[in-house]
Amino acid sequence: QKEVEQNSGPLSVPEGAIASLNCTYSDRGSQSFFWYRQYSGKSPELIMFIYSNGDKEDGRFTAQLNKASQYVSLLIRDSQPSDSATYLCAVPSGGSYIPTFGRGTSLIVHP
Amino acid sequence: NAGVTQTPKFQVLKTGQSMTLQCAQDMNHNSMYWYRQDPGMGLRLIYYSASEGTTDKGEVPNGYNVSRLNKREFSLRLESAAPSQTSVYFCASSDPQGWETQYFGPGTRLLVL
Repeated sequence: QKEVEQNSGPLSVPEGAIASLNCTYSDRGSQSFFWYRQYSGKSPELIMFIYSNGDKEDGRFTAQLNKASQYVSLLIRDSQPSDSATYLCAVPSGGSYIPTFGRGTSLIVHP
Repeated sequence: NAGVTQTPKFQVLKTGQSMTLQCAQDMNHNSMYWYRQDPGMGLRLIYYSASEGTTDKGEVPNGYNVSRLNKREFSLRLESAAPSQTSVYFCASSDPQGWETQYFGPGTRLLVL
């Protein structure tokens, strides 16, 4: 079992809806959690990171962390077609600062 | 501030040929990484360098070598390319002030025939 799991999708939502992307991880000792966005043919770019239980909001993006249940979510409010991309969850584990990446969830926002 | 740069952007090799992928960063980061990305496999770590003068194996190091030339530059070498090394290669560096947030280069698309 991979240490960081994501549903590969695609997740399809209409424009203006809330997109919910989920990620589970296996190492209870993990301290920091990252969400990267990757457009087709481009490199990943960081959009959110979180290290405390609860929610962290940045514009239309909200990261939610639940360490007891070992999952981290990314909510995108008022989804736009420009949000269509693959979203990668990354979690350092095993006491290392180097993250393990999930395989990514493909998001499609249709007009 | 160019961030992380990679050369070349695209390369075609024949089986058995060798090549070096170049990476440089101008953000004064200590740590640098090489990943490969294949469809359905996500990003897999090949090698990393925690600081100038040190390198360590990642998840998929076989068939590759690396050199941390100085703090800015980290190169990846394929000594004898194989079709299984057809992939997109990303170099990254990380920021210790930002919980080791990784910054990625634009990638090198490698096709081995």
